Amino acid sequence: DAKTTQPTSMDCAEGRAANLPCNHSTISGNEYVYWYRQIHSQGPQYIIHGLKNNETNEMASLIITEDRKSSTLILPHATLRDTAVYYCIVRAPPLLGAQKLVFGQGTRLTINP
Amino acid sequence: GAVVSQHPSRVICKSGTSVKIECRSLDFQATTMFWYRQFPKKSLMLMATSNEGSKATYEQGVEKDKFLINHASLTLSTLTVTSAHPEDSSFYICSARGLGESSYEQYFGPGTRLTVT
Repeated sequence: DAKTTQPTSMDCAEGRAANLPCNHSTISGNEYVYWYRQIHSQGPQYIIHGLKNNETNEMASLIITEDRKSSTLILPHATLRDTAVYYCIVRAPPLLGAQKLVFGQGTRLTINP
Repeated sequence: GAVVSQHPSRVICKSGTSVKIECRSLDFQATTMFWYRQFPKKSLMLMATSNEGSKATYEQGVEKDKFLINHASLTLSTLTVTSAHPEDSSFYICSARGLGESSYEQYFGPGTRLTVT
């Protein structure tokens, strides 16, 4: 699975959009970009995933560059409850046999009042 | 979304004893379950992958005789930490992947905090 690079930490004001970048320059054609987050002392929570098109759900938006070498997770109106470690993971879909998720260090996002 | 539970949520045991942690998929059948451990301020580290009815596949460096994994049904996997020592104190998290080709996501349990005294 391709390696990802994320900033160690970020701060964002409550109510503003939080934009979390992720570099995955070695991503291959069949690999998806997944985002999970982990609130302190809880299990990770799935947020969103995408292949090449931008994706949006009730939690966030995922913007993937045209060359697919980087992506940005956007939390449109951050709240204090969004304070967590955010993990960007790149892997092939389970259909192709890839099963496990390998977590990097992630970005520690702090939402400030 | 799918729900995965773990029991117990936290456990304290004495050095040398064994501890069993349960992971259950509550509203779906999990063909594959994963066990992770996480030390304070560190990322999750995958320990093993288990498929229902077959032996678990352990990651490099994880002792299979130390961490016994049983995935006897499509809704239950257990992790037993045998002869626990203080260095086994950690946050243990399981995740499950369901049946069907649309199961892209893995659903994670809330974690079990193990403290070995």
